[in-house]
Amino acid sequence: AQSVTQPDIHITVSEGASLELRCNYSYGATPYLFWYVQSPGQGLQLLLKYFSGDTLVQGIKGFEAEFKRSQSSFNLRKPSVHWSDAAEYFCAVGPILTGGGNKLTFGTGTQLKVEL
Amino acid sequence: NAGVTQTPKFQVLKTGQSMTLQCAQDMNHEYMSWYRQDPGMGLRLIHYSVGAGITDQGEVPNGYNVSRSTTEDFPLRLELAAPSQTSVYFCASSYSGGDSHQPQHFGDGTRLSIL
Repeated sequence: AQSVTQPDIHITVSEGASLELRCNYSYGATPYLFWYVQSPGQGLQLLLKYFSGDTLVQGIKGFEAEFKRSQSSFNLRKPSVHWSDAAEYFCAVGPILTGGGNKLTFGTGTQLKVEL
Repeated sequence: NAGVTQTPKFQVLKTGQSMTLQCAQDMNHEYMSWYRQDPGMGLRLIHYSVGAGITDQGEVPNGYNVSRSTTEDFPLRLELAAPSQTSVYFCASSYSGGDSHQPQHFGDGTRLSIL
């Protein structure tokens, strides 16, 4: 069964500092990988996704993530955090199969606080 | 476009009551799903549908029923509400039910409390 681990429940960074949110997955092969962001009281918004090709993917709002097969990781990064980035971030994996539906497995989330 | 619309936004029920959470999308997406979000547990898949007339169970289906009579609508029904079903419920939709790399579009959620 697929699983996702986000080891950091809470992270606090200063505005302008760099950010890295960790995500490790367990899956028998290379899955599809996603990062979503959830602002308070809102639904989830897709930041970026990886399913093949270049292991460094760019997303919206200046975020990027790097897929490392050897470490089963898909860490999210941003060079300079803005106060508006404060939110909860979810890593998710989906199976590479057709006809089986879009069955995402989510991590437990990392709550990001940005200090001004 | 409205995207994915969930109603109601908030609801309080008593144990044993029933209710239906509504979800509608206007993007002609084949795939729709329901998740529940609980503190420290992320989102867990309840039920999903790959098209009208087709539904299947996710990770935590017990206590919930779904139907998919049209492409646009995917209601979630609680027949006998229990306090353990207190949660935030999210509906999501995407293109092409067979390819999980298509990003899912989420509604704003329904916050449900069961007393």
